Amino acid sequence: GAGVSQSPSNKVTEKGKDVELRCDPISGHTALYWYRQSLGQGLEFLIYFQGNSAPDKSGLPSDRFSAERTGGSVSTLTIQRTQQEDSAVYLCASSPPGQHGTQYFGPGTRLLVL
Amino acid sequence: TQLLEQSPQFLSIQEGENLTVYCNSSSVFSSLQWYRQEPGEGPVLLVTVVTGGEVKKLKRLTFQFGDARKDSSLHITAAQPGDTGLYLCAGPGAGSYQLTFGKGTKLSVIP
Repeated sequence: GAGVSQSPSNKVTEKGKDVELRCDPISGHTALYWYRQSLGQGLEFLIYFQGNSAPDKSGLPSDRFSAERTGGSVSTLTIQRTQQEDSAVYLCASSPPGQHGTQYFGPGTRLLVL
Repeated sequence: TQLLEQSPQFLSIQEGENLTVYCNSSSVFSSLQWYRQEPGEGPVLLVTVVTGGEVKKLKRLTFQFGDARKDSSLHITAAQPGDTGLYLCAGPGAGSYQLTFGKGTKLSVIP
């Protein structure tokens, strides 16, 4: 079956612009995660969605970052007023019900803020 | 915050050589995972170890979880160019569902 898909694969934007990153999880996976991978750094947890429960936003680095998940499936990560330090690879993952330790990652969106 | 330290940061070896990379922490983890990430792709789960002292083998890859569950190692026998990639270890983070990752070991296997 299809894996986790993300779009766009690459995004170049100017400082101060807003960007939207999309994640389409594996069908049937109830949990969805966003991570950020900066150059030379490990993956940094951003936000977690589980079914219809309130998301865990504890990893979002500032109030310029927000995310939503519509209909328990597709998720959108929005970064407002982008800054150069936001440049990174944004990875989305999903996991089957009850298997948080088994996360399937998408290919990521490479964001470059000029 | 539980931290995972990986070493070495970079490793370049010839095809056919053996290698070991390490993942260490001062904290005890209930489990540890190893991922491989290739350029332009997301990480792919290789293995999960859950029992102290556990050894798991995946073809030419051998994974070991330390007895105290604070460290893990990945040994590759007779490395091949297809083994090239970024090897990441990860364990449960602050929430039971999120993962905390090390910074990875970037492996290059030269033909």
